[in-house]
Amino acid sequence: QVQLVESGGGLVKPGESLRLSCEASGFPFSDYYMSWVRQAPGKGLEWVSYISSRSSYTNYADSVKGRFTISRDNAKLYLHMNSLRAEDTAVYYCVRDTLLGEGWFDTWGQGTLVTVSS
Amino acid sequence: DIQMTQSPSALSASIGDRVTITCRASQSINNYLNWYQQKPGEVPKLLIYAASSLQSGVPSRFSGSASGTDFTLTISSVLREDFATYYCQQGYRTPYTFGQGTKLDIK
Repeated sequence: QVQLVESGGGLVKPGESLRLSCEASGFPFSDYYMSWVRQAPGKGLEWVSYISSRSSYTNYADSVKGRFTISRDNAKLYLHMNSLRAEDTAVYYCVRDTLLGEGWFDTWGQGTLVTVSS
Repeated sequence: DIQMTQSPSALSASIGDRVTITCRASQSINNYLNWYQQKPGEVPKLLIYAASSLQSGVPSRFSGSASGTDFTLTISSVLREDFATYYCQQGYRTPYTFGQGTKLDIK
């Protein structure tokens, strides 16, 4: 079945870096746009970044632009996070967009928690 | 950025009630409006995409409609399993933005 499994979350100090991974299975991963969405504890959902199917296009929320980088290979999606701040503390979800990048997310991973604290 | 304003932020209903949640976009989004359901401790689930298309596997008591920049999620007859938080999201232009959420609980 279609599945997304994130990993790489953890506790880091402000200013440190972390790389999240998302392993996809059950569908032609390379054909789909993908995004990262995060949710701070007790808060709503915030879109973070997307990448097109062939990595031609990427885009970022202003809150992470210049600090986070999204990338992908044949079977995994990544989020490289630098200069982490306390406000980046959240559960990070890997989500599948559509083949055309139409901006709806039909498959979500279980999420990985990133905690930024000194 | 496109702002998405959901109302109400919280809603109490009885089982069997008809429930309506509204989402307003700050500008035209060409019906690129999606609805998600999130239960406590669970991952969000896509219910409706492109304003009115029902995602596969979602019960038909859920429906979506659009009128200009105003969008509505309707649950025709609420079941116990529908008590959750609902989010709208525009997929028209990045940064994609979500509404603040509507928490539906039991009256």
